[in-house]
Amino acid sequence: GAVVSQHPSRVICKSGTSVKIECRSLDFQATTMFWYRQFPKKSLMLMATSNEGSKATYEQGVEKDKFLINHASLTLSTLTVTSAHPEDSSFYICSASKGNYGYTFGSGTRLTVV
Amino acid sequence: DQQVKQNSPSLSVQEGRISILNCDYTNSMFDYFLWYKKYPAEGPTFLISISSIKDKNEDGRFTVFLNKSAKHLSLHIVPSQPGDSAVYFCAASSTTSGTYKYIFGTGTRLKVLA
Repeated sequence: GAVVSQHPSRVICKSGTSVKIECRSLDFQATTMFWYRQFPKKSLMLMATSNEGSKATYEQGVEKDKFLINHASLTLSTLTVTSAHPEDSSFYICSASKGNYGYTFGSGTRLTVV
Repeated sequence: DQQVKQNSPSLSVQEGRISILNCDYTNSMFDYFLWYKKYPAEGPTFLISISSIKDKNEDGRFTVFLNKSAKHLSLHIVPSQPGDSAVYFCAASSTTSGTYKYIFGTGTRLKVLA
């Protein structure tokens, strides 16, 4: 149990376009989802906490208008990278919680902005 | 401010020997800790956790030790196997915060030599 599906696994987009990444909890309802970004050889950096039915909570230094998060249901959260630029190229990972401290991670999305 | 630190970016161990990965934290409010294993271009997978009410937790070849006074935890893998080669992240959370939010360390790349 506790499977999290993240889609797409890889995406290449042109600079200035927007990209949407989906995170779904397949067999449980996730009251909270988290979005992380990993730079090469760096830690997982928490970007924001996504709560179903309410606004996401962004970490300091993360642009809310740049990284739009929507958690419309208990099984789906989306991260939209708006007006993407090459510096947004990274590995984005979501994780989901059932409301306890058990985390399940998605498989990640490699975003390349050209 | 890096609240969770893994000071060794890499570690090489001979197959069959013990691997010891270390993690230090600064926030005394942290009371729940996890270790994750990550392969390139994949999401992290959960390995083992420990609550601050314990000082040791064991699961098969994996044992996590927690020294609260030193704000230090370690992951022991014995015997180490080539398949254990991956990046290992420790993560810490404060259960009293109610946010289920984890802070990750910078990771240690383990290489188990056959």
